[in-house]
Order: sequence, then structure tokens, then C-alpha cells
Amino acid sequence: EPEVTQTPSHQVTQMGQEVILRCVPISNHLYFYWYRQILGQKVEFLVSFYNNEISEKSEIFDDQFSVERPDGSNFTLKIRSTKLEDSAMYFCASSGQSNSPLHFGNGTRLTVT
Amino acid sequence: KQEVTQIPAALSVPEGENLVLNCSFTDSAIYNLQWFRQDPGKGLTSLLLIQSSQREQTSGRLNASLDKSSGRSTLYIAASQPGDSATYLCAVWNYGGSQGNLIFGKGTKLSVKP
Repeated sequence: EPEVTQTPSHQVTQMGQEVILRCVPISNHLYFYWYRQILGQKVEFLVSFYNNEISEKSEIFDDQFSVERPDGSNFTLKIRSTKLEDSAMYFCASSGQSNSPLHFGNGTRLTVT
Repeated sequence: KQEVTQIPAALSVPEGENLVLNCSFTDSAIYNLQWFRQDPGKGLTSLLLIQSSQREQTSGRLNASLDKSSGRSTLYIAASQPGDSATYLCAVWNYGGSQGNLIFGKGTKLSVKP
């Protein structure tokens, strides 16, 4: 069964550094998303992306965050200058059509020291 | 603002029991509700999606119901197995939100003992 893949599985970075989290969505999917989950807390929506542009972003997704689909397969989340509070599990997801189930990757655990 | 609450936070049952997980939401203006399973260190696996016009969905030993007017959903697991041990999350897609802007509960951590 096709799946969403995320790399790396674990990223450690120093405060103030830039990080890029990578995702390969399911190949025929059209809608792409990033979520995060701080340890012990709820999964939170960050951003949705469709037709090469952001559809919606949450309050969390400030100017430090950006997303890109640089080619036909990858979908990336960049955090420009990481803060300690950015430490979390970041999940990428994709879906084929509007109102269809989301398929999640296994996540990237980001640790900011 | 939509709030999603799941009760209980944790549940431990012996193998073979039938069990019910509860999810409530404060705003009934939703497109759909999804139940997910999350294993430790893993992503979320979609189990069932119920559209706002539907009352229930079934997949194997799982049955999810939706009562939109009262803001409740239940996930029924029949004949539980140790392999069902995981955290179960429910999430709603609100009117006014884009596709994929799901609002999650905190989950119910299920442990099924052999």
C-alpha cells in the first residue's frame, strides 16, 4: 500500500539554526499538510497546501515557517530560525481528494537544544 | 472555537472485551469526523471517516458512530486483541476550515492485556 514517507526520522539542531523537514506524499495525492505534536499534547494543524499554494495556515505557522513543493514528489517544511519551543514531532500528511481520509507519515522528531 | 475531548484518557482491558471510546466536540458545524490510531513513535493511521450526513461507519471489528447534534462520536472495538493496544485519536473538520485543517482530541491510550 502506498505510504507517506518522511525524512529524517530524528533531527537535532541548535537554537537559531534553520531546519528542513522532508516528506514524500502518496504519488497521486493533491492535498498536502503539516501537523505537529509537542510531547504529551494534541496533534495541531500547521498548514495545508493545494495547487502549489498554501490553502490555510494556523496561528502557529508564523513567518519562521515556510513550505515548498520543489519538484513533483517532495513537500518540505522549513523552519528558518528554530526556537526551543519548536521541539516536537512533525507529521506530514496527504489526501487524494477533498473530504477524503488523510494519510500520515511516521513523523520527524525535531529536538532543538 | 472548536474543542475536542476524549474520554477516558487511558483504558486497560483484558483481551476479548468489547469496549467503547468516546469523543465529544463543542461545535456541531463539521464536515466530517475521523478516528485515527497512533502507535508509539509512529504516525497516525486513519481507521474510519464519518461524513456529517452519516450516522456510522464500520470496518472489521471497528464501528464508529456520529451524533452531530449532540456533538458526540463513539468508537466501538469488538473482541479486543493485544494488537489493538495504541492511542486512539478523534479529529473533526470544521465548516470554515480548509481541507485537512483537522482539530484533534488528546486521545485515549488503550492497553489490551493478554
